[in-house]
Amino acid sequence: GAVVSQHPSWVICKSGTSVKIECRSLDFQATTMFWYRQFPKQSLMLMATSNEGSKATYEQGVEKDKFLINHASLTLSTLTVTSAHPEDSSFYICSARQGSSREQYFGPGTRLTVT
Amino acid sequence: GENVEQHPSTLSVQEGDSAVIKCTYSDSASNYFPWYKQELGKGPQLIIDIRSNVGEKKDQRIAVTLNKTAKHFSLHITETQPEDSAVYFCAASIVNNAGNMLTFGGGTRLMVKP
Repeated sequence: GAVVSQHPSWVICKSGTSVKIECRSLDFQATTMFWYRQFPKQSLMLMATSNEGSKATYEQGVEKDKFLINHASLTLSTLTVTSAHPEDSSFYICSARQGSSREQYFGPGTRLTVT
Repeated sequence: GENVEQHPSTLSVQEGDSAVIKCTYSDSASNYFPWYKQELGKGPQLIIDIRSNVGEKKDQRIAVTLNKTAKHFSLHITETQPEDSAVYFCAASIVNNAGNMLTFGGGTRLMVKP
């Protein structure tokens, strides 16, 4: 149980275009989802927290107009990187939490490369 | 906010030896400390966690200890195997009704030599 999927697993896009990444909880209802970014050989940095039906809460330094997060249902959250630039190239990982549970279950990640 | 320091950044051990990874945290209100294993190109997988009301927890070859007074916690892997090679992250969190945002350590790259 507690499986989180991400799609796509990797994507290459051209500078200036937008790309959407999906995060789904497959066997539980995710009241809260988290989006992280991980650069090579670095730790995970929280970008934003989203609760179903509410606006996402962004961490300091993360542009909310560039990284659009939608958590429209209890099983799906999406991250859209708008007007992507090469410096946005990174490994994006989502996690999901059910109710007040302590555990966060992580997705397999999406590698974004902006050319 | 919370700050988590993790050491060492890299650790190389011989198969069968033990590996120890240590973390310190800054916020005394943190009450949940999970450890994650991340293999190359994959998302982190929870391997063990400990709550602040417990000093030690063990699951087969993996154990975690917590010293609340000193604000540090450690991961112990015994009888290491090549498949234990990965990057390990510790994290600290304050779990309450408002949620549980994780603050991660910098990671430890563990290499188990056969």
